[in-house]
Amino acid sequence: SQTIHQWPATLVQPVGSPLSLECTVEGTSNPNLYWYRQAAGRGLQLLFYSVGIGQISSEVPQNLSASRPQDRQFILSSKKLLLSDSGFYLCAWSVREAFFGQGTRLTVV
Amino acid sequence: AQSVTQPDIHITVSEGASLELRCNYSYGATPYLFWYVQSPGQGLQLLLKYFSGDTLVQGIKGFEAEFKRSQSSFNLRKPSVHWSDAAEYFCAVGYNNDMRFGAGTRLTVKP
Repeated sequence: SQTIHQWPATLVQPVGSPLSLECTVEGTSNPNLYWYRQAAGRGLQLLFYSVGIGQISSEVPQNLSASRPQDRQFILSSKKLLLSDSGFYLCAWSVREAFFGQGTRLTVV
Repeated sequence: AQSVTQPDIHITVSEGASLELRCNYSYGATPYLFWYVQSPGQGLQLLLKYFSGDTLVQGIKGFEAEFKRSQSSFNLRKPSVHWSDAAEYFCAVGYNNDMRFGAGTRLTVKP
């Protein structure tokens, strides 16, 4: 069966520090992969999606970047975090419907 | 531009009462349609999905949704709400590789 792993679960980082969140999927090949951000009390904002290795589509110009170095690995990064980067980050994979990881709560202080 | 609208930010219902959460979408073609539920601090769980065929779809936990093409809607319903249904509910649409979510509706269940 397919599973998705996202880590870490929580993260507190100072402003200006780098960020790396990792997501891996098991049990499927060539999935679509997504990064979403959920601000407190708000819906999900699509940040990036990928349809294959090295293929990244960015939805919103921002302080973040994404990479897909392997078929089932999706990484969200930042060189210098801003306070506004705080939020709940969710990784998902899909063929048709999306399946989500458990999320990473990022607090930038 | 593609969009998903959940007009109700917060709904409160009494336990045992019926529930309907609204969702409207704007897409150039009929997308795939989904409802997800999120408990606090957790990821999203798929409740049900519509790809094609019968426009009334059944999901987990006693939920159902009806696709109405003429209204571009995909409303979620449950005949009798349980206290454990209190959560955030998200409508989503998918088309090709794109998946968009509504802003969510927070459901509170009164005893």
